[in-house]
Amino acid sequence: DGGITQSPKYLFRKEGQNVTLSCEQNLNHDAMYWYRQDPGQGLRLIYYSQIVNDFQKGDIAEGYSVSREKKESFPLTVTSAQKNPTAFYLCASSIGGGGRETQYFGPGTRLLVL
Amino acid sequence: GNSVTQMEGPVTLSEEAFLTINCTYTATGYPSLFWYVQYPGEGLQLLLKATKADDKGSNKGFEATYRKETTSFHLEKGSVQVSDSAVYFCALSSARMDSSYKLIFGSGTRLLVRP
Repeated sequence: DGGITQSPKYLFRKEGQNVTLSCEQNLNHDAMYWYRQDPGQGLRLIYYSQIVNDFQKGDIAEGYSVSREKKESFPLTVTSAQKNPTAFYLCASSIGGGGRETQYFGPGTRLLVL
Repeated sequence: GNSVTQMEGPVTLSEEAFLTINCTYTATGYPSLFWYVQYPGEGLQLLLKATKADDKGSNKGFEATYRKETTSFHLEKGSVQVSDSAVYFCALSSARMDSSYKLIFGSGTRLLVRP
């Protein structure tokens, strides 16, 4: 079955620690995205990538970094510079970056600070 | 800038009641419009979409019509079930400077359906 997998489901971060969230898709999609969701709010775009080896900052990129070395994978690192990282993180992908295309979402990773 | 406004929740209904969740938008050009649903602890699933004015998206008994004259995309269902309890997000596609598109989401509306 095609889809998007995110791991882990829950992640705990200590002060000053960098953590990496995994996102893998087997849909053969070119575009991938990372969103952050805070309680009672909509999703905000962190980073996106339209093609391998290329990615762009979204609306709230500070304190985050990404890489796109393979088409299937788009890991997100939450660095120690992100002072309020507790949130639900969602990865998505689409066939391309066009405005009519549907974005498909993974099940999410909940990040908590110890 | 482009934005999406949804009615605040929670919306509480009895089973088999009629549902309307209001969504209005502000956008330049002709964005595509989407409704996503999020069940507890899960990611978002596309419920329906419309890509041009007067299009009606429909899925699983839910419907929404792209109304450019009122800049609205209200979600409706004739008879809700307990299993419809979830958070519903309205979204629009917005062009970026690099010609890519991003989704702009509303804040979500929680629906609770009681037996």
